[in-house]
Amino acid sequence: NAGVTQTPKFQVLKTGQSMTLQCAQDMNHNSMYWYRQDPGMGLRLIYYSASEGTTDKGEVPNGYNVSRLNKREFSLRLESAAPSQTSVYFCASRQGINYGYTFGSGTRLTVV
Amino acid sequence: ELKVEQNPLFLSMQEGKNYTIYCNYSTTSDRLYWYRQDPGKSLESLFVLLSNGAVKQEGRLMASLDTKARLSTLHITAAVHDLSATYFCAVDVVGSNYQLIWGAGTKLIIKP
Repeated sequence: NAGVTQTPKFQVLKTGQSMTLQCAQDMNHNSMYWYRQDPGMGLRLIYYSASEGTTDKGEVPNGYNVSRLNKREFSLRLESAAPSQTSVYFCASRQGINYGYTFGSGTRLTVV
Repeated sequence: ELKVEQNPLFLSMQEGKNYTIYCNYSTTSDRLYWYRQDPGKSLESLFVLLSNGAVKQEGRLMASLDTKARLSTLHITAAVHDLSATYFCAVDVVGSNYQLIWGAGTKLIIKP
């Protein structure tokens, strides 16, 4: 089915470890986003990519890096995981500003 | 400060009743979005409201936008159990084509 695919779905990391969350969309959308969702705080934007080859910081970029590998793929990297990064991470894409996001299924990350 | 406030944050209601969720925002915006999230699941786009006075309906849900009052409503008519979910509103940040500000969500429980 067309949509946004995220991997992995679950991950447990030790403090200081690194990992990359993968995201791919097959809808030919230009813009892609990484959000984190924490209880009682809604969604917070980490990074976004308006188009292939561009990335920009969102509200909470510290501790994260991103790569827009091509139009389909947008990855999120945690270089040195911290317990404060325990969260559910969602990747999303959209066709344009007059459209809603299509979200991936999420990655539940626990840092111990 | 850019803020999006939803109320109520929690709502428990009986099947068959009507109710309204409110979304107030502090920034100038012409675009407002409603999303649904089932427990442990991803988010699904419900409505995109693009101008003052916009009204959209899907089944038992109807959303409206008043940009002058900076208010959107999500009205539920004759609620059924399947509508139990958390509902989020989000607004575009004027001057940024890509960043949304999200409300904290309204958790809706509909009892048979």
